[in-house]
Amino acid sequence: DTGVSQDPRHKITKRGQNVTFRCDPISEHNRLYWYRQTLGQGPEFLTYFQNEAQLEKSRLLSDRFSAERPKGSFSTLEIQRTEQGDSAMYLCASSLRLAGDEQFFGPGTRLTVL
Amino acid sequence: SQQGEEDPQALSIQEGENATMNCSYKTSINNLQWYRQNSGRGLVHLILIRSNEREKHSGRLRVTLDTSKKSSSLLITASRAADTASYFCATEGGSYIPTFGRGTSLIVHP
Repeated sequence: DTGVSQDPRHKITKRGQNVTFRCDPISEHNRLYWYRQTLGQGPEFLTYFQNEAQLEKSRLLSDRFSAERPKGSFSTLEIQRTEQGDSAMYLCASSLRLAGDEQFFGPGTRLTVL
Repeated sequence: SQQGEEDPQALSIQEGENATMNCSYKTSINNLQWYRQNSGRGLVHLILIRSNEREKHSGRLRVTLDTSKKSSSLLITASRAADTASYFCATEGGSYIPTFGRGTSLIVHP
């Protein structure tokens, strides 16, 4: 499968725990995006990377959220001290900037905070 | 904040009918994209239309863009039960950060 993959697909955690999600983009794509999606809403942009550079992070929801893309390939999104309000689907997408901005989405990680 | 707003929020039609969804936005854009999302899944890109384009086609899909009215429409012709999904528009402005609307939930009855 040469699409965008995300791991895990589901995560159940207790309030206060830290969680980390991984996204593997399509290999030749240099842009990688993270979104959060809650029920009945569209994806909400969180942050994005151009290769290993994080170009926009002001929309991360709080300082408990952080993302990395250390070698310009896979990326991780970490949420520290999870809260029940963090329960949502976390989506990753990648794009090849020169190809006209089409984003390819992964299947998402569904987070449930108890 | 959500830039694009889809209308209607929900649409229920019979197989074979056409489905039209609209997207309105507030600020100038570089491009607008339509995506489909099946329940509990990731989004699938349908069509991208740039700000200097007025209409694009892809199979049974037709997208129009009216920048003077800051609106776009997605037409699905001869709908099928498999078209049942949520449809989102996403706009990109000068920052190239995509902003999605809340989506239109389409149900196509066989």
